[in-house]
Amino acid sequence: ETGVTQSPTHLIKTRGQQVTLRCSSQSGHNTVSWYQQALGQGPQFIFQYYREEENGRGNFPPRFSGLQFPNYSSELNVNALELDDSALYLCASNTRGETEAFFGQGTRLTVV
Amino acid sequence: AQSVTQPDIHITVSEGASLELRCNYSYGATPYLFWYVQSPGQGLQLLLKYFSGDTLVQGIKGFEAEFKRSQSSFNLRKPSVHWSDAAEYFCAVGLSGGYQKVTFGTGTKLQVIP
Repeated sequence: ETGVTQSPTHLIKTRGQQVTLRCSSQSGHNTVSWYQQALGQGPQFIFQYYREEENGRGNFPPRFSGLQFPNYSSELNVNALELDDSALYLCASNTRGETEAFFGQGTRLTVV
Repeated sequence: AQSVTQPDIHITVSEGASLELRCNYSYGATPYLFWYVQSPGQGLQLLLKYFSGDTLVQGIKGFEAEFKRSQSSFNLRKPSVHWSDAAEYFCAVGLSGGYQKVTFGTGTKLQVIP
């Protein structure tokens, strides 16, 4: 059984660019959640995907969007990057209805 | 809206000493409560969770937490800290009905001195 894997582990982008982060959910999990963790802060919920549809969203603007694929893997897309988007982006997967999610190691995004 | 407060940003304890990390939550109904640990550069690992039943919850690595509804608290404890426990600890509250839109506290960074 493989855990949650995220790619890439680190990347640097320029303000105004677009970025795509990827997450492979743990085997058997059909729900993926994305979180943004700024330096020195706790993770903040961005959105959750279940069966390829957005299933809840936090306080993030529309330039944060996502996808979930039939194999339950997921992408987080961020358009028009801003300096404040620099953070660790965490993906978590679970089986819908279960009360525990498993986190990946995260992608460290730096916007310059 | 649900919220979580971790009043201690940093805590330093000696190896072998006891530990208590504080967490207060705000939520209209009985919440789902979690404690996670994060080592530098790592993702989050679940230590323990509470949904209902016995208010004293046992977790991994010798940690336990106690749910006190009257105080809206869910403090994490460990009787004897090991150097490997140095990490950041996050308390979190979730909606009922499964893992949905979990709200995290700002974290407590634990330093362990010899």
